[in-house]
Amino acid sequence: DIVLTQTPPSSPVTLGQPASISCRSSQSLAHSDGNTYLSWLHQRPGQPPRVLIYKVSNRLSGVPDRFSGSGAGTDFTLKISRVEADDVGIYYCMQVTQFPHTFGQGTKVEIK
Amino acid sequence: QVQLVQSGAEVKKPGASVKVSCKGSGYMFASHAIHWVRLGPGQRLEWMGWINVGSTETKFSQKFQGRITIKRDLYANTVYLELSSLTSEDTAVYYCARDGGFWSGYQDFWGQGTLVTVSS
Repeated sequence: DIVLTQTPPSSPVTLGQPASISCRSSQSLAHSDGNTYLSWLHQRPGQPPRVLIYKVSNRLSGVPDRFSGSGAGTDFTLKISRVEADDVGIYYCMQVTQFPHTFGQGTKVEIK
Repeated sequence: QVQLVQSGAEVKKPGASVKVSCKGSGYMFASHAIHWVRLGPGQRLEWMGWINVGSTETKFSQKFQGRITIKRDLYANTVYLELSSLTSEDTAVYYCARDGGFWSGYQDFWGQGTLVTVSS
């Protein structure tokens, strides 16, 4: 199985300041079809997860443009340009390049 | 509007089985695969399996092989997850999620979650 490792495990941030989360994969997530199937999800307590970014850098409809994704191969990053109060929760990277799909261990974003 | 509505919370004894349903509405049910994902206490999200609702093809995480079943009922617009031989490690919130489309790379709608508690 592909193992995804996120850093940091927790990220206290000041409102209005940027935040960055890293996700490293145990093997390349490049698919033979030319796409890289790495997503970023956000989950608030008591709510289902929500996909923010798919295929590394594509924002799902309705996701604010302060969220951006980048990376290739085995190293990926989610950036929040200016953190808002609504952004607290746990962020997960997820790969769907290969079965079984797998998730990172999560990064908790909280306000300082 | 697209909705996935899951069945209610369950409490099961070790060794028992649980069946969780996920009813879709607001879209062509057979056109999107459904994933099952769970979140245990203090754990990361865990992908369990997937069903191509149109073809009934399924794929499972090896971790659950032999004790997981995913089925669909097109007349009821419902997908079912069944997990057998439950242990306390299966205590979790179980989510169904709609796949965005063939090789879309995302799940665009999620059920509200079903808490399954395994306790003697």
